[in-house]
Amino acid sequence: GQSLEQPSEVTAVEGAIVQINCTYQTSGFYGLSWYQQHDGGAPTFLSYNALDGLEETGRFSSFLSRSDSYGYLLLQELQMKDSASYFCAVRSEGFQKLVFGTGTRLLVSP
Amino acid sequence: DGGITQSPKYLFRKEGQNVTLSCEQNLNHDAMYWYRQDPGQGLRLIYYSQIVNDFQKGDIAEGYSVSREKKESFPLTVTSAQKNPTAFYLCASTPSLAGGGDTQYFGPGTRLTVL
Repeated sequence: GQSLEQPSEVTAVEGAIVQINCTYQTSGFYGLSWYQQHDGGAPTFLSYNALDGLEETGRFSSFLSRSDSYGYLLLQELQMKDSASYFCAVRSEGFQKLVFGTGTRLLVSP
Repeated sequence: DGGITQSPKYLFRKEGQNVTLSCEQNLNHDAMYWYRQDPGQGLRLIYYSQIVNDFQKGDIAEGYSVSREKKESFPLTVTSAQKNPTAFYLCASTPSLAGGGDTQYFGPGTRLTVL
């Protein structure tokens, strides 16, 4: 089977840095993605890692270690609008069929 | 503007009735997907389609049916056989099933409540 584990909730204050971890167990692996979803809204793509290392996109960075089956999303200079759920997703087959984690709810306080 | 539209945003149905959720995209994407999301849960794949007139079951296809008669459209029918249909339904698309990157483009979702 395939499974992804993320913390259920993380809290932080404005301006801080927060890291959301994701560990996965899959039969195959092509890449790890991160999506953001505000309450009642649709998920939006944040980042994708196919190879080990860090990918940086503005205030958001994503890291992958294939040997450890582990990745994380790093959010810097947190803003109130970053309060949302964050999902990691794994592509385990040679096409874009994703398996999503259960999500991490990030609460940013003033 | 290109994007994915889902209608309606909210849908109420009586138990035992079939209901069809609409999903239309003008992104010229080949692949389309239907997900179900329950409160506090991740997205679970119901069905997906690689090309017109072809679709495959996802992880929770029981009680659902789809069609893909046009590239732009991928409607989902929630049948009376689905035991617990109340959920948030999300449609997504990608340029193709193969290739690099994992950007799935999502519609705004339909929240279905069965009374």
